[in-house]
Amino acid sequence: EIVLTQSPATLSLSPGETATLSCRASQGVGSHLAWYQQRPGQSPRLLIYDASKRATGIPARFSGSGSGADFTLTVSSLEPEDLGLYFCQQRRNWPLTFGGGTKVEI
Amino acid sequence: EVQLVESGGGLIQPGGSLRLSCVSSGFNFDTYAMHWVRQVPGRRLEWVSTINPTGGATYYEDSLKGRFTISRDSSRSTLYLQMDTLTAEDTAVYFCARGSSFGGGEYFDYWGQGTLVTVSS
Repeated sequence: EIVLTQSPATLSLSPGETATLSCRASQGVGSHLAWYQQRPGQSPRLLIYDASKRATGIPARFSGSGSGADFTLTVSSLEPEDLGLYFCQQRRNWPLTFGGGTKVEI
Repeated sequence: EVQLVESGGGLIQPGGSLRLSCVSSGFNFDTYAMHWVRQVPGRRLEWVSTINPTGGATYYEDSLKGRFTISRDSSRSTLYLQMDTLTAEDTAVYFCARGSSFGGGEYFDYWGQGTLVTVSS
């Protein structure tokens, strides 16, 4: 099973700042990685797939990078609505696995 | 508009069974893989099971094999999860999710609102 480790656990920032979230895989996953946002009380929403491709309707201030075992989600010009949990997920191997999440506080 | 609406959750005693349902609309159900994902209290997400568009292939998290069964009914555009021999460790919000049209259907591009399953005596 591929284990995804996200850091930091919590990120406290102010509006307008840039959030940098990390996801590290226990083995290489190529570019087969996605990022999801979960706002309080809501279901997760797909932000990024294949490490760097934005899903439909996702603003350009969300960007993903990385390949192999190290990945980064960058959220620039933070807005109050960006608070919540962010998860990475790999599809390189079964079982599909998620990281433990990063909580973004604004 | 894509919509996924789960139902069937509730309070169940250890050892009991539940069947979750997920009614889909706004897309051609027959052409997408479908998934169940659960979220334990706190925050961790855990993939549970996947079924391919035809229902001919199913996948399960290893620890759930033999207890959980995923199925789909194209005539009703509905996804199911039969859960047997439930334990406290199965307590979670269960989400139905559509597999993306990219990435082999193994990303989750639409999610339902979730249904809470609580296993307790």
